[in-house]
Amino acid sequence: DADVTQTPRNRITKTGKRIMLECSQTKGHDRMYWYRQDPGLGLRLIYYSFDVKDINKGEISDGYSVSRQAQAKFSLSLESAIPNQTALYFCATSDPGTAPGELFFGEGSRLTVL
Amino acid sequence: AQRVTQPEKLLSVFKGAPVELKCNYSYSGSPELFWYVQYSRQRLQLLLRHISRESIKGFTADLNKGETSFHLKKPFAQEEDSAMYYCALSGPGTYKYIFGTGTRLKVLA
Repeated sequence: DADVTQTPRNRITKTGKRIMLECSQTKGHDRMYWYRQDPGLGLRLIYYSFDVKDINKGEISDGYSVSRQAQAKFSLSLESAIPNQTALYFCATSDPGTAPGELFFGEGSRLTVL
Repeated sequence: AQRVTQPEKLLSVFKGAPVELKCNYSYSGSPELFWYVQYSRQRLQLLLRHISRESIKGFTADLNKGETSFHLKKPFAQEEDSAMYYCALSGPGTYKYIFGTGTRLKVLA
């Protein structure tokens, strides 16, 4: 069951191109996140959103932008891709509540910037 | 500074041997601690969280506030435990999750 869906799953692009990674969820969660995974560096938070009007930068937001089009959709854009943005990108959602809840991840989008 | 440290990039053990994946954290306050696992060709998923105090797939993790550690343990490793394991924390009310760099566990036959 693909509750958190990312598209595209794989993408190869060239330096300077604009790229959008899309994430949609059917879990009804308000909170959505974009992470980047690099070998040896783990997962690092790029942006997060607690609702459609609340978007926040994470630890590595430079070079990225996001759009929360609806509760269910959260897109990550690279306006001008560069090779060091080659990575595996994960979208995640979390359940609202008073305590930090479980993160639910998409399958990942592998981006290669040549 | 908020940080999660997993000192081992790779941990290899033989089937049936005990396994301990180390996690230390730095946080001013009382964070929530989690272990996430990523099996080959599967999504990253929650393995366990300290607030639940449960054992999942034979794994347990004890929060040691004095040592600021949340090590993951299993008395008898199985081949199907081979995966990438991430320790993570979230500050109360922040809903931001900080991950460690991960430890790849290989269980050898």
